[in-house]
Amino acid sequence: DAKTTQPNSMESNEEEPVHLPCNHSTISGTDYIHWYRQLPSQGPEYVIHGLTSNVNNRMASLAIAEDRKSSTLILHRATLRDAAVYYCILRDDGGATNKLIFGTGTLLAVQP
Amino acid sequence: KAGVTQTPRYLIKTRGQQVTLSCSPISGHRSVSWYQQTPGQGLQFLFEYFSETQRNKGNFPGRFSGRQFSNSRSEMNVSTLELGDSALYLCASSTTSGPYNEQFFGPGTRLTVL
Repeated sequence: DAKTTQPNSMESNEEEPVHLPCNHSTISGTDYIHWYRQLPSQGPEYVIHGLTSNVNNRMASLAIAEDRKSSTLILHRATLRDAAVYYCILRDDGGATNKLIFGTGTLLAVQP
Repeated sequence: KAGVTQTPRYLIKTRGQQVTLSCSPISGHRSVSWYQQTPGQGLQFLFEYFSETQRNKGNFPGRFSGRQFSNSRSEMNVSTLELGDSALYLCASSTTSGPYNEQFFGPGTRLTVL
């Protein structure tokens, strides 16, 4: 299973943009890049996913490097509610499964 | 649309007992996956069910088992509980399978083994 590397923790100020990096140097051509986050005392929550092109949705943007060996989750204006552990996960289409392999993630602290 | 529900939310058991946890997926979702979360090991995949069939299994001992019913509701069972089974057990549901779909997680069941 392909692995990802993320910083253990990051800090941000409220209403400022946040860039959360993820390295996945062993990514294969069929791996999708997914991001989930887990707020305190809750189950993980889907944020965004992409394959090759940058993606935007109402929660965040995903910037994928041209060689796909890294990606960045961008929160455009952090709020206190964005304080969570953010997980970068690779998923491939090699099999019909919904298995997610979670790493240790990045703990994002948002300061008022 | 109701989200994924898990019952009970909290549970206290003693070593050697067995426990059954329940998960009701979002209406229309046929895939249910289970995860164990502990401070030491993080989030680990237990197993996945799709249309009543176990499709994938994580690296857990045989004391951990599960099943899925025809209405897609799922249960997981842990027999002969050990102290190390204390954890947050999460289930997630999805409409189908594939590397591009999102999964919806429930709030979890907090199991404490004394």
